[in-house]
Amino acid sequence: GAGVSQSPSNKVTEKGKDVELRCDPISGHTALYWYRQSLGQGLEFLIYFQGNSAPDKSGLPSDRFSAERTGGSVSTLTIQRTQQEDSAVYLCASSLVRGAGAQETQYFGPGTRLLVL
Amino acid sequence: AQSVAQPEDQVNVAEGNPLTVKCTYSVSGNPYLFWYVQYPNRGLQFLLKYITGDNLVKGSYGFEAEFNKSQTSFHLKKPSALVSDSALYFCAVRADSGGYQKVTFGTGTKLQVIP
Repeated sequence: GAGVSQSPSNKVTEKGKDVELRCDPISGHTALYWYRQSLGQGLEFLIYFQGNSAPDKSGLPSDRFSAERTGGSVSTLTIQRTQQEDSAVYLCASSLVRGAGAQETQYFGPGTRLLVL
Repeated sequence: AQSVAQPEDQVNVAEGNPLTVKCTYSVSGNPYLFWYVQYPNRGLQFLLKYITGDNLVKGSYGFEAEFNKSQTSFHLKKPSALVSDSALYFCAVRADSGGYQKVTFGTGTKLQVIP
């Protein structure tokens, strides 16, 4: 079956421009995560969507970052007025959460490599 | 707040030797614990998880991890390292509590297996 897909795979933009990154989770997965991974660094949590609950936005680094998830499926991460320090790989993951006792294995997409010049 | 610590940025081990990648965690209540691996130029892949039951969990590619509640640790181990095991390894934790909780990842440990 299809895994998590992300687009574009690579994005080069100029400082100050807005970018949109897309994530298509595995069909039926109710939880969706966005992470950022800078070169040689660990995973930085950005935002978490779970079903119809309010998203956990505690990881978004500034108000230039926002994300939405339409219809409980596809998600878009938007970065406004990009800065050079936004350059990183942006990873999306989804998981199937069955209630409070969920065994939440995450399935990751290939990532979008963003370069801000 | 829950957290994960991977105290070693990098671990070097000779091929054929046993390897250990360390992970400690902090969480309210019982933990769900995970290991993920990221091979060069490839996406993150699930390796193994501890939910409940036996403290020794076996996963993919011959890896195993031991849950130690008293030491709040979940170290990743393999009896005999392969060069192909060289990758970035991430430990993650989630609280086993009511409602929906996000998963917290460690900063990662780079494993270098030397031929």
